[in-house]
Amino acid sequence: DVKVTQSSRYLVKRTGEKVFLECVQDMDHENMFWYRQDPGLGLRLIYFSYDVKMKEKGDIPEGYSVSREKKERFSLILESASTNQTSMYLCASSSPLAEPYNEQFFGPGTRLTVL
Amino acid sequence: AQSVTQPDIHITVSEGASLELRCNYSYGATPYLFWYVQSPGQGLQLLLKYFSGDTLVQGIKGFEAEFKRSQSSFNLRKPSVHWSDAAEYFCAVAEKSNYQLIWGAGTKLIIKP
Repeated sequence: DVKVTQSSRYLVKRTGEKVFLECVQDMDHENMFWYRQDPGLGLRLIYFSYDVKMKEKGDIPEGYSVSREKKERFSLILESASTNQTSMYLCASSSPLAEPYNEQFFGPGTRLTVL
Repeated sequence: AQSVTQPDIHITVSEGASLELRCNYSYGATPYLFWYVQSPGQGLQLLLKYFSGDTLVQGIKGFEAEFKRSQSSFNLRKPSVHWSDAAEYFCAVAEKSNYQLIWGAGTKLIIKP
């Protein structure tokens, strides 16, 4: 079974703090994704990565950065957390080697509260 | 641009009743289609997917969905819902060569006892 893990289920941070959200997958997937989920807005893509050290901006990258130094790990960084970044953050992975190439496997999510 | 519409934000169904959740997409070619479920406080779990072959696909937990090209729809169905089906359901679409999924806004399913 594909397993995607996220470092924290719940996180509380203060405005202005630097925040790291970590995601690890154990299925050797090339692609990894970070989404945020807010009520009524569904899933919005922040960043994705299709290879180590490669990254692409999604729909809402402002205020975020990412790092992918190893294939299995994809980190989301909030350089200076703000209250409007309070949200549920979901990590996902997929492989381009097996059809359907875009099936994504999700972690349990991190609910971040910025005070 | 591709888009996915789930017209119902909330749906309330009695336990034991049948269920249909609607999903319409805007896309030229035959897309890859997915339904995911999210239980409260959890990540998303794949229910079922369509990418070729039989247009009626079976998924986990007794769910099925039918791809209707003429209607650009991929509606999710279940003949008899259980209280444990209360969750939020997301439809997603992608083109074959694209890693990214286009997501609907989700439908929250409420089960009446």
